[in-house]
This record gives sequence, structure tokens and C-alpha cells, in this order.
Amino acid sequence: DAKTTQPTSMDCAEGRAANLPCNHSTISGNEYVYWYRQIHSQGPQYIIHGLKNNETNEMASLIITEDRKSSTLILPHATLRDTAVYYCIVRVTSKYGGATNKLIFGTGTLLAVQP
Amino acid sequence: NAGVMQNPRHLVRRRGQEARLRCSPMKGHSHVYWYRQLPEEGLKFMVYLQKENIIDESGMPKERFSAEFPKEGPSILRIQQVVRGDSAAYFCASSASTGLNTGELFFGEGSRLTVL
Repeated sequence: DAKTTQPTSMDCAEGRAANLPCNHSTISGNEYVYWYRQIHSQGPQYIIHGLKNNETNEMASLIITEDRKSSTLILPHATLRDTAVYYCIVRVTSKYGGATNKLIFGTGTLLAVQP
Repeated sequence: NAGVMQNPRHLVRRRGQEARLRCSPMKGHSHVYWYRQLPEEGLKFMVYLQKENIIDESGMPKERFSAEFPKEGPSILRIQQVVRGDSAAYFCASSASTGLNTGELFFGEGSRLTVL
């Protein structure tokens, strides 16, 4: 699986958009970009994923550059409850599940939403 | 629709005792993944199991740790002769096995082991 690089920490004002970058310059053509977060002491939570098109769901938007070497997770209106460690992970995905679907977590970005 | 259930949520053991952590995957899921998170550290993959089979145990310590996922009942992570360094949060995740799998893993709330 490709390695990702994320900033160690970021701050964001409550109500503003939080933009979390991720570099994955060695990503392969069949690898997806996944974002998870871990709120303190809780289990990781899936946020969003994509292959090459931008994606949006009720939680966030994912912007993937055309060359796929980097991406940005956007939380449009950050709240205090969004304070968490955000993980960007790239991997192949099998629609039948399996060992290839295991997630390898890096150190992530600690997002601190300030009141 | 219950999520991934882990128990116990908190477990205290003395050095040398055994710890058993249980994980019931989401309904319809037959793939289970175990992760360990040491204090102030990231999540480390331990083992991946399907029903009755260990598929990938590349992250499991070679000694004292074992995992199973029987045909009936929850997945069990077993740690024998615990040491203080085993104190950590252990998370279980499950995923679907059908062709509709989107690659998402659903995590439980974890079991926190403290070794005295």
C-alpha cells in the first residue's frame, strides 16, 4: 500500500471549513483514498473514500488532484465535536472483502477545532 | 442494526494472567480485523480472520497472542501471561463479504486492557 504524508496537527475555528491535506505521491492506479477519524478514546470512524473523482457525503467532501498524488478532506462547517485525529489511507479494495481490505494507519492529523 | 460489539469495555489483569477479548461483528459480516493501540500511539493491525480461518496474522506478536473466529459466536483475541506492555486499547472491526463491499471497515468502541 502507498505511503501517505499528513501534517501532524492543525487548528480550525468553529464554524469554518477545515481543509486537511494528504500527500500520496506513490499511489497506484487501483488504490483508493480513504479517510477515517478517531475521536479521543473511541473506535475509528469511516468518513469518505474515492478513487479519482471528487466525492461528497453528509460528513465531508474529498478532493483528489488530477494526478492523484494528493487529496484534501474538507469538513465544511467544523464543530467542536470534529476535534479528532484524521487518517488518510490509500489501498486497493476488494469488493469481496479480505486481507487486502485491512487498513494500515499512519500517525494522522490531529485537528483541533477552537471555539 | 447493532454495530460492532466488543466486550468487556474495560479489563484489568495482573501480570501472568490471561485476557480474553470478544468481538461480535455487524450482522451479515464475516470478516473481522483486530487492531491494538498502545497509549499515545497509533493503531496497529494485528490479525484478519474469516469464519474459522486466520487469513493474515502478520501483525500478531509471535508469542502469547492468539485469535479465533469460530463458526458460531464472537471472535476472541486471547492474550496469555499478560505483561504490563500489553496494556492498550484493542479494537475490532468488521466488513462485509459480499460483492457489495466498498472497503469500509466498521469499528467497535474497543476493549481497554490494563495490566497491573
